[in-house]
Amino acid sequence: QSALTQPASVSGSPGQSITISCTGTSSDVGSYNLVSWYQQHPGKAPKLMIYEVSKRPSGVSNRFSGSKSGNTASLTISGLQAEDEADYYCCSYAGSSVVFGGGTKLTVL
Amino acid sequence: EVQLVESGGGLVQPGGSLRLSCAASGFTFSSYWMHWVRQAPGKGLVWVSRINSDGSSTSYADSVKGRFTISRDNAKNTLYLQMNSLRAEDTAVYYCARVEWGSGPPNAFDIWGQGTMVTVSS
Repeated sequence: QSALTQPASVSGSPGQSITISCTGTSSDVGSYNLVSWYQQHPGKAPKLMIYEVSKRPSGVSNRFSGSKSGNTASLTISGLQAEDEADYYCCSYAGSSVVFGGGTKLTVL
Repeated sequence: EVQLVESGGGLVQPGGSLRLSCAASGFTFSSYWMHWVRQAPGKGLVWVSRINSDGSSTSYADSVKGRFTISRDNAKNTLYLQMNSLRAEDTAVYYCARVEWGSGPPNAFDIWGQGTMVTVSS
């Protein structure tokens, strides 16, 4: 199972919005609404930010939103803040396994 | 508090074995499917394995199939990963993670352990 494709890096200034894409195939992202997104700060465990494509766990800021179209899912962060600087990973169910994206490093300028 | 705590990592020679543990607390462990995910130094997250609620069904990534075995002891609220025939490329932080909605295909991993480092080197 190949990893989902994410841009290696994105950047934005405080207050701006950014979008991270996550491209899979018809065997994973395209077939299931079981896409989730994780934020990971250096040396820390991943934290769930979005699940089932667009749902937000309790306690996660509404500045984070998710969507999906075909084989591509997206994470949008609006009103960028310094603490949003981290690595972000998408994840999808893939039938009998799970596949993650390669990760995107978000830099807040 | 809902938490997962991994242990058992360390330095092992190529070809060696190691057993990781993941102790669960604060929730009904026996109701949840569980997964192992690893992260090589400086690299991304990679799914390793999953087990259903009663341990009767398991699944593995191709890269570890035949070498790793996932299991659980619901009486002890503990998840395990037995790793045999270890290779340098197995070097990583290993995380256990809980499936958010309990059972079935993972809609998300809502609880993660802090991770345990496994280093395979001579």
